[in-house]
Amino acid sequence: NAGVTQTPKFQVLKTGQSMTLQCAQDMNHNSMYWYRQDPGMGLRLIYYSASEGTTDKGEVPNGYNVSRLNKREFSLRLESAAPSQTSVYFCASSESAHLGYGYTFGSGTRLTVV
Amino acid sequence: EDQVTQSPEALRLQEGESSSLNCSYTVSGLRGLFWYRQDPGKGPEFLFTLYSAGEEKEKERLKATLTKKESFLHITAPKPEDSATYLCAVQAYSSGAGSYQLTFGKGTKLSVIP
Repeated sequence: NAGVTQTPKFQVLKTGQSMTLQCAQDMNHNSMYWYRQDPGMGLRLIYYSASEGTTDKGEVPNGYNVSRLNKREFSLRLESAAPSQTSVYFCASSESAHLGYGYTFGSGTRLTVV
Repeated sequence: EDQVTQSPEALRLQEGESSSLNCSYTVSGLRGLFWYRQDPGKGPEFLFTLYSAGEEKEKERLKATLTKKESFLHITAPKPEDSATYLCAVQAYSSGAGSYQLTFGKGTKLSVIP
């Protein structure tokens, strides 16, 4: 089973460029999440989608947009990248956002903005 | 504000030297406490979920316990392959978000020396 698949694995952007991080899960999970992980900061929630057709802001949403394309796919877009968005981005999914289920994480996208 | 604090930040053990990692939390209405393992360059891998004080879960050399204010991850006779960063996360209802949110600690980096 693939679980949660993220693309690309690595990306270098120039300040002001845009890009979309892709995430797909094959576990028929209802809820999907985008986190960023920075040294000394831990994992912080950017956006999440509790179910297909809904999206909500997390702790650090500024500078990002998301799209829940269908039940399987949840993308994260940086419209105008900034050096402060240099980070490792993780997508995760769970059966439900409301019932205490564990999350399954992808392997991450390492993004550098220069 | 929900808080999750893990200690120590880093721990070096000799192979076979048992120890414990701590995760203390301050949340209202805990739905679940999760332990994850993260290897360098990889996404977090789910280990355990604990739902109520007094609950214990075991997996190989790992045992997780939960009280009303903290959780411990006990590592018995560790091996070098247990070296990783261990993350703790709590899920509780966020009135601001109107849904359950997962808040992560910053992790404990464990190194097991042969």
